[in-house]
Amino acid sequence: AQKVTQAQTEISVVEKEDVTLDCVYETRDTTYYLFWYKQPPSGELVFLIRRNSFDEQNEISGRYSWNFQKSTSSFNFTITASQVVDSAVYFCALSEAKNNDMRFGAGTRLTVKP
Amino acid sequence: ETGVTQTPRHLVMGMTNKKSLKCEQHLGHNAMYWYKQSAKKPLELMFVYSLEERVENNSVPSRFSPECPNSSHLFLHLHTLQPEDSALYLCASSQDRDLRLNQPQHFGDGTRLSIL
Repeated sequence: AQKVTQAQTEISVVEKEDVTLDCVYETRDTTYYLFWYKQPPSGELVFLIRRNSFDEQNEISGRYSWNFQKSTSSFNFTITASQVVDSAVYFCALSEAKNNDMRFGAGTRLTVKP
Repeated sequence: ETGVTQTPRHLVMGMTNKKSLKCEQHLGHNAMYWYKQSAKKPLELMFVYSLEERVENNSVPSRFSPECPNSSHLFLHLHTLQPEDSALYLCASSQDRDLRLNQPQHFGDGTRLSIL
């Protein structure tokens, strides 16, 4: 069964600090997709990134970067020079190619203080 | 403006009431989803519709009844709910034409449901 673990329940940083949100997943499928979503206080989830299991290349988008390592089954998310607007709950999710299920981690609540 | 609109934003109902949650997407997507977000639990996928056909039902109690009359609208009909059903219910859509959940999903703001 697929499983996603976000061990960090809450993280608090001061503005301009770098912060890494961890995500570890379990799957028996060789083809799968990993996602990160941001949930601001307003409630909706905002798509940040999708990664398929065959693409281990790390990605950078502005202050956001993702480190995908199949060897450790991890898909960590780093925010560089954090800002107050980054305060939100961040969810990591996994979808296997062979079924129609999407599993989310429990989420990490990030608070960025001015 | 998220492209996915959910109404109402908040709903308080008794256990014997019948109500419906509505979701509408203006993105031209072919797949729509209902999720339940309870306090201190991971987000749970409830239902998936692709091209107006239900393709997934994750062991959801029958007191939740989805309806997808067309590719732009999704409803969640509620009846005889329990206090533990109090949660944020999120609707999402994706471009997906096939049955694989590998497309980015666009979410609505959610309906916060409280069962008295």
